[in-house]
Amino acid sequence: EVQLVESGGGLIQPGGSLRLSCAASGLTVSSNYMSWVRQAPGKGLEWVSIIYTAGTTHYADSVKGRFTISRDNSKNTLYLQMNSLRAEDTAVYYCARAISGYYFDSWGQGTLVTVSS
Amino acid sequence: EIVLTQSPGTLSLSPGESATLSCRASQSVSSNYLAWYQQKPGQAPRLLIYGASSRATGIPDRFSGSGSGTDFTLTISRLEPEDFAVYYCQQYANSWTFGQGTKVDIK
Repeated sequence: EVQLVESGGGLIQPGGSLRLSCAASGLTVSSNYMSWVRQAPGKGLEWVSIIYTAGTTHYADSVKGRFTISRDNSKNTLYLQMNSLRAEDTAVYYCARAISGYYFDSWGQGTLVTVSS
Repeated sequence: EIVLTQSPGTLSLSPGESATLSCRASQSVSSNYLAWYQQKPGQAPRLLIYGASSRATGIPDRFSGSGSGTDFTLTISRLEPEDFAVYYCQQYANSWTFGQGTKVDIK
């Protein structure tokens, strides 16, 4: 059974940095396309970033240059390094497996990031 | 960027009725690269449909997807109590974008 467990969320001031983690079991992170999707409070879903099996990465325009997706194969864990955080980055962040880089078939439970002074 | 517009915003129905949800794309979604998700309060989204019409593993056959090009539909026949939720469409033909969601609530 695939299980994705996010951690690292919390309250952070504007301009600050935070690193989210997504520990995977039941799948090998390096052998799958893995993504981050976020959801602002009371709002819809927004794709954030993806990392391909070959290591290629893509980002939404809203986070490009500020966020970095990466993985640690030895820990079977996906990361999202978030810098220069803004109030509009406040959201629940989900990690998800993207089948062939397309649609998301397995999701974590999410971790809440609140950017506020 | 392909913008997805879902309608209606809210659908109020009774258990046993059928629901028809629409997802319209701002440009053609090639290869019918469109998925549907269900989300309940406090939970992560769950994949229902991919490739516009293929049901994901374990999804009941009362959920069906159809459409092509710019117009797609999710149909839920015979609504069960557990089907009342928010539904999102998502395209993966050109980057990844989601619709704003349709809430199906109990009438």
